[in-house]
Amino acid sequence: DIQMTQSPSTLSASLGDRVTVTCRASQNITNWLAWYQQKPGKAPKLLIYKASSLQSGVPSRFSGSGSGTEFTLTISSLQPDDFATYYCQQYDRYYTFGQGTKLEIK
Amino acid sequence: QVQLQESGPGLVKPSETLSLRCTVSGYSITTGFYWGWIRQPPGKGLEWIGSVYHTGSTYDNPSLKSRVTVSIDASKNQFSLKLTSVTAADTAVYYCARKDGYAATGAFDLWGQGTLVTVSS
Repeated sequence: DIQMTQSPSTLSASLGDRVTVTCRASQNITNWLAWYQQKPGKAPKLLIYKASSLQSGVPSRFSGSGSGTEFTLTISSLQPDDFATYYCQQYDRYYTFGQGTKLEIK
Repeated sequence: QVQLQESGPGLVKPSETLSLRCTVSGYSITTGFYWGWIRQPPGKGLEWIGSVYHTGSTYDNPSLKSRVTVSIDASKNQFSLKLTSVTAADTAVYYCARKDGYAATGAFDLWGQGTLVTVSS
């Protein structure tokens, strides 16, 4: 099984901050990595696919980088709508999600 | 636009079989894409359960120890999930989702709203 580990589990930040979430895979997944945003009571929403490609309709303040086993999601300037939980997911072999990072207002 | 909607019982007894359907509107599911099920226990993270290709071929999460059956009903434009021998640990919100091919996003790009299934006697 490929394990996905996110850090931090919780992140407190203010409007306008630049924030970064890290995701580490237990083995090489090349660039088969996606990032999702989930708000309470809602389904996850795809933000980034293939590690760094922005899904259609997603604001450009979201970006992804990395390859192999280390990946990051960056939000360049936090907006009120961005406070949510973020999950990484590998799709190199089957599908595994990270445990999530909850982004809270400081 | 394409939409997915889960349906099925919200309460299942322990040791019985959980059965859910996902109705797809705006697209014929036998035309393309992969179609899958993901669940989320209350307050916890996401777990992929199983998927079916538009041709009908299936694959599922090995950690669920062969309790999973995913299938397509082309006549109703639906795909379904059966999970056998359920326990309280299977209590979760169950989502159906569309997965694009690796030449495109390769990820789950469209989701249903989710349905809560509780396992309890």
